[in-house]
Amino acid sequence: DIQMTQSPSSVSASVGDRVTLTCRASQNIADWLAWYQQRPGEAPRLLIYAATTLHSGVPSRFTGGGSGTDFTLTINSLQPDDFATYYCQQASSFPLTFGGGTKVELK
Amino acid sequence: QVQLQESGPGLVKPSQTLSLTCTVSSGSISSGGHHWTWIRQHPGKGLEWIGHIIYSGSASYNPSLMSRTTISIDRFKNRFSLRLTSVTAADTAVYYCARADYGGPGHDVSDIWGHGTTVIVSS
Repeated sequence: DIQMTQSPSSVSASVGDRVTLTCRASQNIADWLAWYQQRPGEAPRLLIYAATTLHSGVPSRFTGGGSGTDFTLTINSLQPDDFATYYCQQASSFPLTFGGGTKVELK
Repeated sequence: QVQLQESGPGLVKPSQTLSLTCTVSSGSISSGGHHWTWIRQHPGKGLEWIGHIIYSGSASYNPSLMSRTTISIDRFKNRFSLRLTSVTAADTAVYYCARADYGGPGHDVSDIWGHGTTVIVSS
């Protein structure tokens, strides 16, 4: 199985800050990577796929980067709705696997 | 906009079978081009892909659960189902159904999710 490692596990930030989350794959997954946002009590919501492509309706302050084994999700100008947990997922091979998540908390 | 809704018992006894159904509305499960997917989330933990099925009935499973898992599809009722046998407390989780694209840059990425249903395994 491909292991997905996210860092940090949590980050404290303020409204208006820029934060960058990291996801590392245990082997090369090209750009077969997605990012999801999950707010408490809700289902995950797709933000980005193919490492850099913004899903329909997702605000442009979310930016995905990277390829191969190292990936980033940057949130520019954090908004109150953005305080949530973010997961990466590899879609390169079965079984599909997710990272452990990064919680973005209010400082 | 396609919507998914999970249904099934919220409490299952150890060693019994967990059975959940995902009903698809505002879209056809037979339209092709999608993987109809089950994912679970243990309390306070991350996400685990259980498996998926396509409209033809061909399914793929996570090897860690494959021996206990069956995903089936009912095109007439526009729904798909999950059966997980011989459950233990370790199967307590929120179970989500989701739709993922088949092929293209969004391949195997879940763009539509149900709200999730909590299943507790306890006697």
